[in-house]
Amino acid sequence: EPEVTQTPSHQVTQMGQEVILRCVPISNHLYFYWYRQILGQKVEFLVSFYNNEISEKSEIFDDQFSVERPDGSNFTLKIRSTKLEDSAMYFCASGGTSGNQETQYFGPGTRLLVL
Amino acid sequence: GQNIDQPTEMTATEGAIVQINCTYQTSGFNGLFWYQQHAGEAPTFLSYNVLDGLEEKGRFSSFLSRSKGYSYLLLKELQMKDSASYLCAGNTDKLIFGTGTRLQVFP
Repeated sequence: EPEVTQTPSHQVTQMGQEVILRCVPISNHLYFYWYRQILGQKVEFLVSFYNNEISEKSEIFDDQFSVERPDGSNFTLKIRSTKLEDSAMYFCASGGTSGNQETQYFGPGTRLLVL
Repeated sequence: GQNIDQPTEMTATEGAIVQINCTYQTSGFNGLFWYQQHAGEAPTFLSYNVLDGLEEKGRFSSFLSRSKGYSYLLLKELQMKDSASYLCAGNTDKLIFGTGTRLQVFP
């Protein structure tokens, strides 16, 4: 069964450093998302991406964040200058094989720790 | 505004039935998802209700009432492996999650 994959599984970085989190969505899906979950808190929407552009973003997704689909398979989240409060689990999700977004399937996540 | 409410914790006994409730106030609502999340893992899809009524899928069923802004997840014949958090999420083209209900199943 196809699944969303993410790399790395864990990332430790120093405050102020740039990180890139990578995702390979399910191959025939058209909608891509990033969510984050701070330890002990709820899953929060960051950004959605469709047709090679951002379709919606949350207040969390400020100028320090960017997303890219550099080729036909990868979907990346970049944090330009990490802050302590960026420490969280970051989940990529994909969904929708036609015009409908439908069910979103989540990847295993990248645990980011900012020191 | 967007708001999803569900109980924080529930406990149940192996073999029993448990119902996890969720109420929501969301604008642009398309439907309601239930996900299961084990500690340290990703949410895994359980069900998606768009229309009012009950959707049954094996031991799990989900109900939606759009007029009441209410949903529940029903888990039957509970097993120890069902101990997890159950996340209610409103679909507004993005998912708005509740805080999750942590279910503990005891032998």
